[in-house]
Amino acid sequence: DTEVTQTPKHLVMGMTNKKSLKCEQHMGHRAMYWYKQKAKKPPELMFVYSYEKLSINESVPSRFSPECPNSSLLNLHLHALQPEDSALYLCASSKERSYSGNTIYFGEGSWLTVV
Amino acid sequence: QQQVKQSPQSLIVQKGGISIINCAYENTAFDYFPWYQQFPGKGPALLIAIRPDVSEKKEGRFTISFNKSAKQFSLHIMDSQPGDSATYFCAASTQAGTALIFGKGTTLSVSS
Repeated sequence: DTEVTQTPKHLVMGMTNKKSLKCEQHMGHRAMYWYKQKAKKPPELMFVYSYEKLSINESVPSRFSPECPNSSLLNLHLHALQPEDSALYLCASSKERSYSGNTIYFGEGSWLTVV
Repeated sequence: QQQVKQSPQSLIVQKGGISIINCAYENTAFDYFPWYQQFPGKGPALLIAIRPDVSEKKEGRFTISFNKSAKQFSLHIMDSQPGDSATYFCAASTQAGTALIFGKGTTLSVSS
């Protein structure tokens, strides 16, 4: 079983709504990630946090706003999304930000539908 | 140069058969090659991984073969079972890299 927990599992929101996705890990990992995955496609990196600081933003639109309140929690705040933002949003973590040899553990994801 | 090319896109194998998925890369700085398994509605889960100083790694029915000179690596699933039906992603990364580079994925169906 994954040790990265994401809530909610499913979310339907209107284009004017504000909502948040939450992620929690208790493996002592200091790197946490948000990925977006469309059907039948590989995960696409959105954000990377290293020691609670944002270290990578892959040119993600500002309607997605990440937050890392502490080393165990990661949030993704959503506002004024578009229907094309509907996707599976995956949270992940690893021991450190350096990727080589560091296993990245994914949560089960939050299915987002924008109507 | 940052791409990882994965083939085939889909694969149908009889129960008990061998499933083989191939990946190729160009960036010689890649030094970690994990494979992820993803079931419908679930997040990707690490299946097995290899470093380039090893030519083969086996875990149960799953084996990674690595050919450094050809810049290719492959996943072999022996005695494939219907429960192995899933999407498989190869990936690659560098220690100094900024992202885990995924292949496009292979959808495996094991028929009983």
